[in-house]
Amino acid sequence: KAGVTQTPRYLIKTRGQQVTLSCSPISGHRSVSWYQQTPGQGLQFLFEYFSETQRNKGNFPGRFSGRQFSNSRSEMNVSTLELGDSALYLCASSSEETQYFGPGTRLLVL
Amino acid sequence: GQNIDQPTEMTATEGAIVQINCTYQTSGFNGLFWYQQHAGEAPTFLSYNVLDGLEEKGRFSSFLSRSKGYSYLLLKELQMKDSASYLCAVRGWGTGGFKTIFGAGTRLFVKA
Repeated sequence: KAGVTQTPRYLIKTRGQQVTLSCSPISGHRSVSWYQQTPGQGLQFLFEYFSETQRNKGNFPGRFSGRQFSNSRSEMNVSTLELGDSALYLCASSSEETQYFGPGTRLLVL
Repeated sequence: GQNIDQPTEMTATEGAIVQINCTYQTSGFNGLFWYQQHAGEAPTFLSYNVLDGLEEKGRFSSFLSRSKGYSYLLLKELQMKDSASYLCAVRGWGTGGFKTIFGAGTRLFVKA
């Protein structure tokens, strides 16, 4: 079974731009969660989607949004990028409790 | 809310045993996870505990005490490749449903 895939793997943007990241979960998994990881803050929960509905969200500003499609693929969008948004963005899929992570998208905001 | 504490760094010797502790606070506990993360890579799943006791999987074991809000990850016969960050994560009830929260991670250095 193929693992979680994320695209793109690396991205460089400038302040004020917006970005869309994509995640394809493991086949059969309906839940997708997004995390932001920075050296100082560790893994911070962004939101979780299940069957195209946002089931839970963390404490991030409204500039961070996401969605899930009928095939369980998910996207997250960050608008009006700030320097502090530079991070590794990880997507995790799960069928029950255990989450399996994709390789992440490393975003650098200049 | 949910809170997880684990040591920031640990150092151990190749071939030895190391125990990484994790304490947590959460409502609606629904499971505790350990992940391994090598530098520059994504976390990989190691273990899952939902009932009290010890779960053994090869060189790795994980223990859970729900009444104490405590878990540990035990690594035996340490190898150099075990140098990594170990993340403790707890699934609990948050606003809107269950969510999994991660600790900051324990960076383990294995020396020869």
